[in-house]
Amino acid sequence: GQSLEQPSEVTAVEGAIVQINCTYQTSGFYGLSWYQQHDGGAPTFLSYNALDGLEETGRFSSFLSRSDSYGYLLLQELQMKDSASYFCAVREGSARQLTFGSGTQLTVLP
Amino acid sequence: DTAVSQTPKYLVTQMGNDKSIKCEQNLGHDTMYWYKQDSKKFLKIMFSYNNKELIINETVPNRFSPKSPDKAHLNLHINSLELGDSAVYFCASSQLTSGSGEQYFGPGTRLTVT
Repeated sequence: GQSLEQPSEVTAVEGAIVQINCTYQTSGFYGLSWYQQHDGGAPTFLSYNALDGLEETGRFSSFLSRSDSYGYLLLQELQMKDSASYFCAVREGSARQLTFGSGTQLTVLP
Repeated sequence: DTAVSQTPKYLVTQMGNDKSIKCEQNLGHDTMYWYKQDSKKFLKIMFSYNNKELIINETVPNRFSPKSPDKAHLNLHINSLELGDSAVYFCASSQLTSGSGEQYFGPGTRLTVT
C-alpha cells in the first residue's frame, strides 16, 4: 500500500529557513503536492512537483526526486503567520487521488 | 464569492441519528471529494465523484452514502451515527486532469457525536 513519512513537528524562529521532508511509497505516481492548514481552517494548496527539481513560489519552494521517492518543502524568511500544519500528498492512481501524509506542525517563534 | 461551501459548519448530534452534510462548488470543476480529518489531523479521502460518477470509494462503512445530483454538488449522508464518526469532514473540488490537480477545500463541517 501507499505510505508517506514526514516529521510530526518542527520549530523555528522568525526570519529563519526551515525544510520539511517527505518520503513516500506508492504506485501510479503522478506527483507530490504540499498543502498548508491553519488551526481551524481548511487545507490550502501550496505547490506541486511532477518532475524532478525545484519549484519556487515566493518564499516557498518545493523539491522532488522521483528516483529517491523524496521531496521537501522549503520555507524561507519565516513569519509568525507561517505557523500551521503542512501536509505532503502524493497524487496517484487512475483517479489521480491525493493521499496525504500525517502532517508537520510548524511553530514559528518570535 | 465562496468557491467551495459546506453546510452546516457545526453539527452536534446523538448516537444513532442520521445526518447529512451538503457541499457546493462554483469553480466549474468536474471532480468533487469528501475527506475525513480525525483529531490527530490525519486527512483521509472517503469518496470522489467525477462528472457525477463515483470514481473513488475508499474503505468506509456503508453507513456513509455520498450523492452527487450534479457536477457542482456533492452531499454526504450518514446513517446510525457512532461516536467514532466525530471528526471534521471536508469537501473539495478539482479539475481532474489539470496539471497540478490542485484541490480546493471547503471550510469543513465539524461533526460531534455524543
